[in-house]
Amino acid sequence: DIVMTQTPLSSPVTLGQPASISCRSSQSLVHSDGNTYLSWLQQRPGQPPRLLIYKISNRFSGVPDRFSGSGAGTDFTLKISRVEAEDVGVYYCMQATQFPVTFGPGTKVDIK
Amino acid sequence: EVQLVESGGGLVQPGGSLRLSCAASGFTFSSYWMSWVRQAPGKGLEWVANIKQDGSEKYYVDSVKGRFTISRDNAKNSLYLQMNSLRAEDTAVYYCARDPGGRKPDYWGQGTLVTVSS
Repeated sequence: DIVMTQTPLSSPVTLGQPASISCRSSQSLVHSDGNTYLSWLQQRPGQPPRLLIYKISNRFSGVPDRFSGSGAGTDFTLKISRVEAEDVGVYYCMQATQFPVTFGPGTKVDIK
Repeated sequence: EVQLVESGGGLVQPGGSLRLSCAASGFTFSSYWMSWVRQAPGKGLEWVANIKQDGSEKYYVDSVKGRFTISRDNAKNSLYLQMNSLRAEDTAVYYCARDPGGRKPDYWGQGTLVTVSS
């Protein structure tokens, strides 16, 4: 199975400041079809997960443009350009290139 | 509006069985892969299983293989998870998700809690 790791596991941020989360996979996430199935999900407290980014850098419908994704191969990054109060929660990277689908451990983002 | 509503959770003894359901609306259910993902209390997300549009392909995480069965009824717009031989470590909130291509879970239900305890 592909193992996903994230750093940091906790990220206290100042409102209005940027935040960045790294995600690394134990093997390349490039699928034989040429796509890289790396997604980012947000889980606010008490809520189900919400898809933010898919295929490395594509924002899902309704996701603010302060969220962006980048990376390739085995190294990926989620950036929040200016953190807002509603961004508090846990962020997960997820690979679906190879089944079973696997998630990173999650990064908790809260306000300093 | 896409809606997914899980049901069927509850308290069950170790070794027991439970069948979860997920009622879908607001989209053409038969056109999408669907997935189950679980979250143990205070823990992260764990993918459980997914199923192709016509049910011809199903995949499971190793820890549930042989015990859980994912299925769907496209005529009823419903997804199911039959869980047998339940263990304490299966205790979790179970979410169903619409999952285009099995690669991008884009809409999630609110989840249903399964507690396995004597």
